[in-house]
Amino acid sequence: GQQLNQSPQSMFIQEGEDVSMNCTSSSIFNTWLWYKQDPGEGPVLLIALYKAGELTSNGRLTAQFGITRKDSFLNISASIPSDVGIYFCAGQLAGNQFYFGTGTSLTVIP
Amino acid sequence: KAGVTQTPRYLIKTRGQQVTLSCSPISGHRSVSWYQQTPGQGLQFLFEYFSETQRNKGNFPGRFSGRQFSNSRSEMNVSTLELGDSALYLCASSLATARSSRANTEAFFGQGTRLTVV
Repeated sequence: GQQLNQSPQSMFIQEGEDVSMNCTSSSIFNTWLWYKQDPGEGPVLLIALYKAGELTSNGRLTAQFGITRKDSFLNISASIPSDVGIYFCAGQLAGNQFYFGTGTSLTVIP
Repeated sequence: KAGVTQTPRYLIKTRGQQVTLSCSPISGHRSVSWYQQTPGQGLQFLFEYFSETQRNKGNFPGRFSGRQFSNSRSEMNVSTLELGDSALYLCASSLATARSSRANTEAFFGQGTRLTVV
Protein backbone atom coordinates (compact mmCIF):
# COMPACT_ATOMS: atom_id res chain seq x y z
CA GLY A 1 0.00 0.00 0.00
CA GLN A 2 0.90 3.67 -0.10
CA GLN A 3 3.28 4.94 2.54
CA LEU A 4 2.77 8.30 4.18
CA ASN A 5 5.68 9.47 6.26
CA GLN A 6 4.50 11.73 9.04
CA SER A 7 6.88 13.63 11.27
CA PRO A 8 7.66 14.21 13.97
CA GLN A 9 6.37 11.07 15.67
CA SER A 10 5.84 12.93 18.94
CA MET A 11 6.16 16.45 20.29
CA PHE A 12 6.32 17.88 23.79
CA ILE A 13 5.77 21.64 23.85
CA GLN A 14 4.98 24.42 26.27
CA GLU A 15 1.55 25.99 26.23
CA GLY A 16 1.57 29.00 23.92
CA GLU A 17 4.18 27.62 21.53
CA ASP A 18 3.56 27.02 17.84
CA VAL A 19 3.58 23.49 16.41
CA SER A 20 4.45 22.25 12.95
CA MET A 21 4.09 18.73 11.55
CA ASN A 22 4.20 17.35 8.03
CA CYS A 23 3.46 14.41 5.80
CA THR A 24 5.31 13.26 2.73
CA SER A 25 4.50 10.58 0.22
CA SER A 26 6.02 8.91 -2.80
CA SER A 27 2.65 9.22 -4.55
CA ILE A 28 0.74 12.19 -5.84
CA PHE A 29 -2.51 12.74 -3.97
CA ASN A 30 -5.70 14.50 -5.07
CA THR A 31 -6.77 15.46 -1.57
CA TRP A 32 -5.11 15.89 1.80
CA LEU A 33 -7.03 15.78 5.06
CA TRP A 34 -5.83 16.41 8.59
CA TYR A 35 -7.46 14.71 11.58
CA LYS A 36 -7.10 14.83 15.37
CA GLN A 37 -7.83 11.77 17.49
CA ASP A 38 -8.38 11.74 21.24
CA PRO A 39 -7.93 8.51 23.22
CA GLY A 40 -10.83 6.09 22.73
CA GLU A 41 -12.46 8.26 20.08
CA GLY A 42 -12.58 8.33 16.31
CA PRO A 43 -10.54 10.85 14.31
CA VAL A 44 -12.11 14.28 13.92
CA LEU A 45 -11.64 16.15 10.65
CA LEU A 46 -9.72 19.41 11.09
CA ILE A 47 -8.87 20.66 7.61
CA ALA A 48 -9.36 19.46 4.02
CA LEU A 49 -7.15 20.51 1.10
CA TYR A 50 -8.03 19.94 -2.56
CA LYS A 51 -5.57 21.85 -4.71
CA ALA A 52 -1.79 21.98 -4.99
CA GLY A 53 -0.51 25.06 -3.18
CA GLU A 54 -3.77 25.57 -1.31
CA LEU A 55 -3.36 27.15 2.13
CA THR A 56 -6.35 26.79 4.46
CA SER A 57 -6.94 27.93 8.02
CA ASN A 58 -9.34 26.76 10.69
CA GLY A 59 -8.94 28.95 13.76
CA ARG A 60 -5.42 28.46 15.10
CA LEU A 61 -4.79 25.68 12.58
CA THR A 62 -3.25 26.24 9.15
CA ALA A 63 -2.53 23.54 6.59
CA GLN A 64 -1.04 23.56 3.12
CA PHE A 65 -1.22 21.20 0.16
CA GLY A 66 2.30 20.95 -1.24
CA ILE A 67 3.04 22.14 -4.77
CA THR A 68 4.31 18.70 -5.79
CA ARG A 69 1.08 17.15 -4.40
CA LYS A 70 3.27 14.73 -2.48
CA ASP A 71 3.30 16.54 0.84
CA SER A 72 1.30 18.60 3.29
CA PHE A 73 1.95 20.38 6.55
CA LEU A 74 -0.15 21.40 9.53
CA ASN A 75 0.66 24.29 11.84
CA ILE A 76 -0.96 25.00 15.19
CA SER A 77 -0.37 28.45 16.62
CA ALA A 78 -0.40 29.40 20.31
CA SER A 79 -1.02 25.83 21.53
CA ILE A 80 -3.38 25.20 24.44
CA PRO A 81 -3.82 22.10 26.64
CA SER A 82 -6.85 20.85 24.69
CA ASP A 83 -4.65 20.53 21.58
CA VAL A 84 -3.27 17.34 23.14
CA GLY A 85 -3.94 14.30 20.99
CA ILE A 86 -2.72 12.41 17.97
CA TYR A 87 -2.77 14.19 14.62
CA PHE A 88 -3.06 12.23 11.39
CA CYS A 89 -2.63 13.25 7.81
CA ALA A 90 -4.57 11.38 5.14
CA GLY A 91 -4.04 11.42 1.42
CA GLN A 92 -6.55 10.42 -1.22
CA LEU A 93 -5.80 8.90 -4.61
CA ALA A 94 -8.52 8.27 -7.15
CA GLY A 95 -11.73 6.99 -5.66
CA ASN A 96 -12.68 7.40 -2.03
CA GLN A 97 -9.82 5.51 -0.40
CA PHE A 98 -7.59 7.35 2.02
CA TYR A 99 -4.10 6.45 3.19
CA PHE A 100 -3.14 7.62 6.65
CA GLY A 101 0.12 8.78 8.13
CA THR A 102 1.50 7.15 11.25
CA GLY A 103 0.42 10.05 13.44
CA THR A 104 2.04 12.79 15.51
CA SER A 105 1.43 12.61 19.24
CA LEU A 106 1.22 16.10 20.71
CA THR A 107 1.67 16.83 24.41
CA VAL A 108 1.16 20.39 25.64
CA ILE A 109 2.71 21.25 28.97
CA PRO A 110 0.77 23.94 30.86
CA LYS B 1 -27.41 16.49 12.45
CA ALA B 2 -26.36 13.17 13.96
CA GLY B 3 -22.81 11.99 13.36
CA VAL B 4 -21.57 8.57 12.38
CA THR B 5 -22.80 5.93 14.81
CA GLN B 6 -20.99 2.67 15.39
CA THR B 7 -22.26 -0.21 17.48
CA PRO B 8 -21.26 -1.81 19.67
CA ARG B 9 -18.54 0.36 21.25
CA TYR B 10 -16.76 -2.58 22.85
CA LEU B 11 -16.68 -6.27 22.05
CA ILE B 12 -14.80 -9.27 23.41
CA LYS B 13 -14.70 -12.45 21.34
CA THR B 14 -12.74 -15.67 21.43
CA ARG B 15 -10.53 -17.03 18.68
CA GLY B 16 -12.43 -18.79 15.95
CA GLN B 17 -15.65 -16.89 16.51
CA GLN B 18 -17.11 -14.44 14.05
CA VAL B 19 -18.25 -10.89 14.67
CA THR B 20 -20.47 -8.31 13.00
CA LEU B 21 -19.99 -4.58 13.49
CA SER B 22 -22.51 -1.94 12.48
CA CYS B 23 -22.16 1.60 11.15
CA SER B 24 -24.86 4.18 10.53
CA PRO B 25 -23.52 7.04 8.38
CA ILE B 26 -24.44 10.70 8.55
CA SER B 27 -27.86 11.25 7.02
CA GLY B 28 -27.51 11.78 3.28
CA HIS B 29 -24.05 10.24 3.07
CA ARG B 30 -23.85 7.36 0.63
CA SER B 31 -20.28 6.23 1.04
CA VAL B 32 -19.13 4.18 4.02
CA SER B 33 -15.51 3.16 4.51
CA TRP B 34 -14.07 0.84 7.14
CA TYR B 35 -10.63 1.09 8.72
CA GLN B 36 -8.68 -1.02 11.18
CA GLN B 37 -6.53 0.84 13.67
CA THR B 38 -3.80 -0.88 15.67
CA PRO B 39 -0.79 0.55 17.51
CA GLY B 40 1.62 -1.24 15.22
CA GLN B 41 0.01 -0.70 11.82
CA GLY B 42 -1.89 2.55 12.32
CA LEU B 43 -5.02 3.17 10.26
CA GLN B 44 -5.43 0.61 7.51
CA PHE B 45 -8.16 0.79 4.88
CA LEU B 46 -10.44 -2.25 4.73
CA PHE B 47 -13.08 -1.41 2.13
CA GLU B 48 -15.52 1.21 0.92
CA TYR B 49 -19.17 0.80 0.00
CA PHE B 50 -21.20 3.16 -2.12
CA SER B 51 -24.82 2.58 -3.06
CA GLU B 52 -24.71 -1.00 -1.72
CA THR B 53 -21.68 -1.90 -3.85
CA GLN B 54 -18.12 -2.44 -2.72
CA ARG B 55 -16.15 0.19 -4.60
CA ASN B 56 -12.66 -0.13 -3.11
CA LYS B 57 -10.90 -2.83 -1.15
CA GLY B 58 -7.74 -2.83 0.92
CA ASN B 59 -5.24 -5.65 1.46
CA PHE B 60 -7.06 -7.73 4.03
CA PRO B 61 -7.85 -11.46 3.90
CA GLY B 62 -11.24 -12.72 2.79
CA ARG B 63 -12.22 -13.25 6.44
CA PHE B 64 -13.03 -9.54 6.43
CA SER B 65 -16.19 -8.73 4.55
CA GLY B 66 -18.86 -6.10 4.53
CA ARG B 67 -22.09 -4.99 3.03
CA GLN B 68 -24.21 -1.90 2.71
CA PHE B 69 -27.96 -1.65 2.88
CA SER B 70 -30.31 0.53 0.87
CA ASN B 71 -30.43 3.09 3.71
CA SER B 72 -26.61 3.36 3.50
CA ARG B 73 -26.08 1.62 6.84
CA SER B 74 -23.16 -0.77 6.65
CA GLU B 75 -22.03 -3.87 8.45
CA MET B 76 -18.60 -5.41 8.64
CA ASN B 77 -18.06 -9.07 9.38
CA VAL B 78 -14.92 -10.86 10.48
CA SER B 79 -15.00 -14.64 10.48
CA THR B 80 -12.67 -17.10 12.22
CA LEU B 81 -11.26 -14.43 14.51
CA GLU B 82 -7.55 -14.38 15.26
CA LEU B 83 -5.74 -12.70 18.14
CA GLY B 84 -4.25 -10.22 15.68
CA ASP B 85 -7.70 -8.98 14.76
CA SER B 86 -7.86 -7.12 18.07
CA ALA B 87 -8.12 -3.48 17.07
CA LEU B 88 -10.24 -0.38 16.94
CA TYR B 89 -12.50 -0.64 13.89
CA LEU B 90 -13.51 2.72 12.51
CA CYS B 91 -16.20 3.60 10.06
CA ALA B 92 -16.18 6.81 8.04
CA SER B 93 -18.96 8.27 5.93
CA SER B 94 -18.87 10.82 3.16
CA LEU B 95 -21.24 12.26 0.57
CA ALA B 96 -19.12 11.01 -2.32
CA THR B 97 -21.86 11.65 -4.87
CA ALA B 98 -19.21 11.67 -7.58
CA ARG B 99 -15.67 10.36 -7.43
CA SER B 100 -14.08 13.63 -8.50
CA SER B 101 -16.11 15.94 -6.29
CA ARG B 102 -14.21 18.12 -3.88
CA ALA B 103 -16.00 18.58 -0.57
CA ASN B 104 -17.98 15.40 -1.18
CA THR B 105 -14.89 13.37 -0.33
CA GLU B 106 -14.53 14.69 3.23
CA ALA B 107 -14.73 11.65 5.49
CA PHE B 108 -16.25 11.80 8.98
CA PHE B 109 -15.48 9.07 11.47
CA GLY B 110 -17.52 7.34 14.12
CA GLN B 111 -16.17 6.61 17.60
CA GLY B 112 -15.19 3.10 16.60
CA THR B 113 -15.74 -0.40 17.91
CA ARG B 114 -12.99 -1.72 20.14
CA LEU B 115 -12.69 -5.46 19.39
CA THR B 116 -10.66 -7.66 21.69
CA VAL B 117 -10.02 -11.25 20.67
CA VAL B 118 -8.94 -13.59 23.48
